[in-house]
Amino acid sequence: AQTVTQSQPEMSVQEAETVTLSCTYDTSESDYYLFWYKQPPSRQMILVIRQEAYKQQNATENRFSVNFQKAAKSFSLKISDSQLGDAAMYFCAYNYGGATNKLIFGTGTLLAVQP
Amino acid sequence: NAGVTQTPKFQVLKTGQSMTLQCAQDMNHNSMYWYRQDPGMGLRLIYYSASEGTTDKGEVPNGYNVSRLNKREFSLRLESAAPSQTSVYFCASSALGHTSYGYTFGSGTRLTVV
Repeated sequence: AQTVTQSQPEMSVQEAETVTLSCTYDTSESDYYLFWYKQPPSRQMILVIRQEAYKQQNATENRFSVNFQKAAKSFSLKISDSQLGDAAMYFCAYNYGGATNKLIFGTGTLLAVQP
Repeated sequence: NAGVTQTPKFQVLKTGQSMTLQCAQDMNHNSMYWYRQDPGMGLRLIYYSASEGTTDKGEVPNGYNVSRLNKREFSLRLESAAPSQTSVYFCASSALGHTSYGYTFGSGTRLTVV
């Protein structure tokens, strides 16, 4: 069964600094998708970035980028120039598609941003 | 605005009471999902509906039932609420075949069972 592991329950970063959130996953599939979702105190789930496993190039969205290591089954999120609005719970998620398109989530990392 | 609408946003139930969480999407998505979020456990899939007319159990289906009323609506029912069902519930939808886009989520329902 596919699993997603986030080993950092909480992280803290100074404003304007860079922080990396870790995520590992387990799968026997060769083609799949990986996501990072942000959940601020409003509770809304916001898609931050996505990566397609068949693409070797790491995805980037403005200050957010990933380090995708397919062989190591690792998918970390780097947030550059951290802002107070980045404070949130971050979830890593995996999806192999297929007929059901189910998303499997990690347990989350709570990120605090210190002014 | 287009998206996924969940009602209610908050609910307090007494043990043994029943209730239905409503979810509707207006994006013409085929697939809909119900998750629960608990501290330290992430989001866990309760039930899903890959397409209109089908429903299947997810990881934690016990104590719940679902109905895919039509393509837009997917409801979650608690027949006899228990304190262990205190949680935040999320409905989500996706376009079948467009797995790279992830899900669109509703804003969640915070349910407390006392």
